[in-house]
Amino acid sequence: QVQLQQSGPGLLKPSQTLSLTCAVSGDSLSSISAAWNWFRQSPSRGLEWLGRTSYRSKWHQDYADSVKSRININVDISKNLFFLQLNSVTAEDTAVYYCARDIDSSGWPHGEYYFYGLDVWGQGTTVAVSS
Amino acid sequence: EIVLTQSPGTLSLSPGETVTLSCRASEIVSTRYLAWYQQKPGQAPRLLIYGASSRATGIPDRFSGSGSGTNFTLTISGLEPEDFAVYYCQQFGGSPPLTFGGGTKVDIK
Repeated sequence: QVQLQQSGPGLLKPSQTLSLTCAVSGDSLSSISAAWNWFRQSPSRGLEWLGRTSYRSKWHQDYADSVKSRININVDISKNLFFLQLNSVTAEDTAVYYCARDIDSSGWPHGEYYFYGLDVWGQGTTVAVSS
Repeated sequence: EIVLTQSPGTLSLSPGETVTLSCRASEIVSTRYLAWYQQKPGQAPRLLIYGASSRATGIPDRFSGSGSGTNFTLTISGLEPEDFAVYYCQQFGGSPPLTFGGGTKVDIK
């Protein structure tokens, strides 16, 4: 059974860096069928995808345009952890943050692309940015 | 960016009723890219449907998805008390961004 366990601080001051960790059990970060995502959710922005990382013969990251200049997602293979780093936070970054796994076919040798959904989620971390 | 619009925003229904939720895309989305989720207060979203019509593991058969092109629906046949929640559609075709609809809240009348 795959599980994701999030950790990280819940209160930040403006201009600080948000750093969250997602610990993966039951799967490998380097699976060619999985990708590892970060999302946030707030009343004003709804459910917002921030970015994802995946291994398809090499590591690949995609980021949302809204945070592209401030975000980094990386992994620690030895500990089966992946991380979210969001720089220069403001009050607008206040939200509940989630990590999640998706399964897709991009690493498979044949066939059309198929997205099998975000099937495993972390428990969520409430992050507040306030001076 | 593909924008997903869900309607209505809120539905008030009674247990046992059947409900159909709508998700409209701003451009054609392959059925292979479309998923639906349920979210309850204080919880992460839960995958219900992928590939527009395939139920995820452990999802009861009262949940069904259909549609193609720019119009997709999620039907709950016979609402159970635990089904009152917010429902989101979502799409991803391999190229970012991954996007969600704004959600439809199904609450108890």
